[in-house]
Amino acid sequence: AQTVTQSQPEMSVQEAETVTLSCTYDTSESDYYLFWYKQPPSRQMILVIRQEAYKQQNATENRFSVNFQKAAKSFSLKISDSQLGDAAMYFCAYSRNAGGTSYGKLTFGQGTILTVHP
Amino acid sequence: ETGVTQTPRHLVMGMTNKKSLKCEQHLGHNAMYWYKQSAKKPLELMFVYNFKEQTENNSVPSRFSPECPNSSHLFLHLHTLQPEDSALYLCASSQIGSGSSYNEQFFGPGTRLTVL
Repeated sequence: AQTVTQSQPEMSVQEAETVTLSCTYDTSESDYYLFWYKQPPSRQMILVIRQEAYKQQNATENRFSVNFQKAAKSFSLKISDSQLGDAAMYFCAYSRNAGGTSYGKLTFGQGTILTVHP
Repeated sequence: ETGVTQTPRHLVMGMTNKKSLKCEQHLGHNAMYWYKQSAKKPLELMFVYNFKEQTENNSVPSRFSPECPNSSHLFLHLHTLQPEDSALYLCASSQIGSGSSYNEQFFGPGTRLTVL
C-alpha cells in the first residue's frame, strides 16, 4: 500500500522569505502523480502544484516549486516570497496513474500547518 | 454555482438522528469522492463513485450510507452516529479515464459535523 509522510506538523516563515515543506512517500509503482494541496482556514482545498513521476523536470507554478527526488521518494514544496495568503494547511498527496479504468485514488499525508508572520 | 458545492456547511445532530449531506459538482466530472477529515489525522477516503457506480468502500461503518443518483450529485446519509464521527466531511470530484490522467481532484468546502 502507498503511504505519504509529512514529518513537519507545523512550519512558520516570515513574509517575503522562502520556506520548504517536506514530504516522503512509499510506493512500488513506477507511474504515478504527486500533488500539493492547500487548505486555507476557510477550508476549501485547492491544488497548488502537481508532478508526474515520469518527468525529471521539477514542476513550477509561479512562487511554488517542487524538488522531486524519485529515487529517494521525496517531494518537497518550496514557497518563495511568502505572502500572508499562503498561510494554510498543506497536504502532500499521491495517486497512481489514473488512466484507463483506475479511479485515481488519492493518498494524503498528515498535513503541515504553515504560519506566515508579517 | 461553480465547482463543487456542499450543503449544509455545518450540522449538529444527536446520536439517534438521521440526516444527509449533499454534494454537487458543476464540472462535468465522472468520479466523486467522500473524505473524512478529523483533527490531527490524514484525510481518510470513505467512498468513491465512478460513473455512478461505487468502486470503493474503505471499510466505512454502515451508519454511513452513500448515494450517487447521477454523476453530478452525491449524498452521504447518516444515522445513529457516534461522537467520534464528528469531523469535517469533504466531497471531491475528478475526471478519470482516457485523456484525463492527472486525477486532479476538486474539493468542496466541506460540512462540519458535530455529533452530540
